[in-house]
Amino acid sequence: GQQLNQSPQSMFIQEGEDVSMNCTSSSIFNTWLWYKQDPGEGPVLLIALYKAGELTSNGRLTAQFGITRKDSFLNISASIPSDVGIYFCAGSGETSGSRLTFGEGTQLTVNP
Amino acid sequence: KAGVTQTPRYLIKTRGQQVTLSCSPISGHRSVSWYQQTPGQGLQFLFEYFSETQRNKGNFPGRFSGRQFSNSRSEMNVSTLELGDSALYLCASSKWTGVGETQYFGPGTRLLVL
Repeated sequence: GQQLNQSPQSMFIQEGEDVSMNCTSSSIFNTWLWYKQDPGEGPVLLIALYKAGELTSNGRLTAQFGITRKDSFLNISASIPSDVGIYFCAGSGETSGSRLTFGEGTQLTVNP
Repeated sequence: KAGVTQTPRYLIKTRGQQVTLSCSPISGHRSVSWYQQTPGQGLQFLFEYFSETQRNKGNFPGRFSGRQFSNSRSEMNVSTLELGDSALYLCASSKWTGVGETQYFGPGTRLLVL
């Protein structure tokens, strides 16, 4: 089945630093989504990507859909304490419909 | 616009019992998907319903079932509960936007099986 490798697994940074995380897939995806999850809550959508090469921003967040359609990255600029949480990438492919395959998550800790 | 709602938020059951979880999608969304989240396995797809029909199914045993009603609300049922069914169950609704389909998640139902 489809596999998603997300890295890094965890990051400890100082407030104000930039952060980058990425996901690679064993198969081609048509959609890449990035979510943030706080403890005890459901994932909240941050950015949606639908086209290879697409680069999309949402405030301090920027994500790109890789040209090969097998990878995506998320950058967070000028991190703040409320950026703390678990970030997930998720993708869906041609044969999976809207079924999402999720990465393992990146746990982000921001020190004030 | 109200988001995805799930009830109940927390549930404690014992082995062998069954449980029904409910999900109300965002207004206008006709697709509802269910996911199980555990520390060991992460987020795993259970099934998806669209217009009251199961459109996609994950690799879970038959004890896990679901249905969707004409108003797009969905329920999932787990019969003969096992300890390993303890998890956060997430519902997501989606709608085709013309370029893609984006899933929006509810807050989840935390199920503890004792």
